[in-house]
Amino acid sequence: AQRVTQPEKLLSVFKGAPVELKCNYSYSGSPELFWYVQYSRQRLQLLLRHISRESIKGFTADLNKGETSFHLKKPFAQEEDSAMYYCALSGNAGNMLTFGGGTRLMVKP
Amino acid sequence: DGGITQSPKYLFRKEGQNVTLSCEQNLNHDAMYWYRQDPGQGLRLIYYSQIVNDFQKGDIAEGYSVSREKKESFPLTVTSAQKNPTAFYLCASSRLAGGITGELFFGEGSRLTVL
Repeated sequence: AQRVTQPEKLLSVFKGAPVELKCNYSYSGSPELFWYVQYSRQRLQLLLRHISRESIKGFTADLNKGETSFHLKKPFAQEEDSAMYYCALSGNAGNMLTFGGGTRLMVKP
Repeated sequence: DGGITQSPKYLFRKEGQNVTLSCEQNLNHDAMYWYRQDPGQGLRLIYYSQIVNDFQKGDIAEGYSVSREKKESFPLTVTSAQKNPTAFYLCASSRLAGGITGELFFGEGSRLTVL
């Protein structure tokens, strides 16, 4: 069985501070990991995926297979980063995703 | 304007009644999904379909039913057998070939409240 855990339901930081949203997973094979984001009054959308090794809106995430983690990081948080963030895992062919419980990020001015 | 349309946005129903949530997409995507979103539990997969006239149960299919008679449409029926139907329901679609793996496109959601 595959499982995604986001231990923090709420993360509050000040503007300009570093931010790290934690994500841990359990899966016996080689997973693909993703971060989805939902801004206020907008639809849930893909932020980034580990296989692309890209930085989107200043966010990066590294897959650590040893620690089974895929934490999302940004060195300097901005107020517009305030949103709900979901970590997701795909462990098989196709796009069936298992989502974590989500972390609400609040960036205070 | 391409995208996924869910209707209705808000729905109230009495206990014992079935209700159907609509999901339509004009993205020409092969796969469609229904997720249930509850506070603190994230999104849980109810049903998914990768091709017309075929669908598979997700993690929490009990009390729900779906159909996929057309590529564009994937309606979800919440039956009276669903013990805790009050929730926010999200429909999504994706390509299965030629698209970005793991990229699901979501609708705006339907909030169902059972009175």
